[in-house]
Amino acid sequence: ELKVEQNPLFLSMQEGKNYTIYCNYSTTSDRLYWYRQDPGKSLESLFVLLSNGAVKQEGRLMASLDTKARLSTLHITAAVHDLSATYFCAVDADDDMRFGAGTRLTVKP
Amino acid sequence: DGGITQSPKYLFRKEGQNVTLSCEQNLNHDAMYWYRQDPGQGLRLIYYSQIVNDFQKGDIAEGYSVSREKKESFPLTVTSAQKNPTAFYLCASKRGRTSGANVLTFGAGSRLTVL
Repeated sequence: ELKVEQNPLFLSMQEGKNYTIYCNYSTTSDRLYWYRQDPGKSLESLFVLLSNGAVKQEGRLMASLDTKARLSTLHITAAVHDLSATYFCAVDADDDMRFGAGTRLTVKP
Repeated sequence: DGGITQSPKYLFRKEGQNVTLSCEQNLNHDAMYWYRQDPGQGLRLIYYSQIVNDFQKGDIAEGYSVSREKKESFPLTVTSAQKNPTAFYLCASKRGRTSGANVLTFGAGSRLTVL
């Protein structure tokens, strides 16, 4: 059974600081996704990572994938309040799409 | 515009009643999914379907049922057998087994409260 683990589950940051969210998964897959969820809302896609060593960047967020280690990271650079949300990673293994528990990020002034 | 429509957005149900949540997509996606989200929790897979007239159980299928009679539609019935149905339900779809990006597109969700 495919398992996806994220850590930390809760993250409180000061504006301007850097931090990394980790996503480990249990089975071979080269397709990993990051999503963002605002309170009370649905999920929106942030990044698609499709191969070992893939790196994607959008603004202050950068995602990477190491398929050999079965690890993806979401790095936050110089956090701002607008980044406050819950971030999920998801792994695609033959259409069995499984999500991590999510990281609730709060960025404080 | 293409997308996924879930209805109703909010639903209240008495204990012992069945309720059906609608999910319709016009993206021509092959695969559709239902997830449950409890407050402060992640997404748990209830059922998914890769093609019409076929579906598979996810991790928490007990007390739920689905049908996939049309490619566009994947309704979820929450039966009275589901012991704790109060939750936020999300429907999603994607293109199916293809190489390359296979991003899930989500509906806006249905919030079910059992009184």
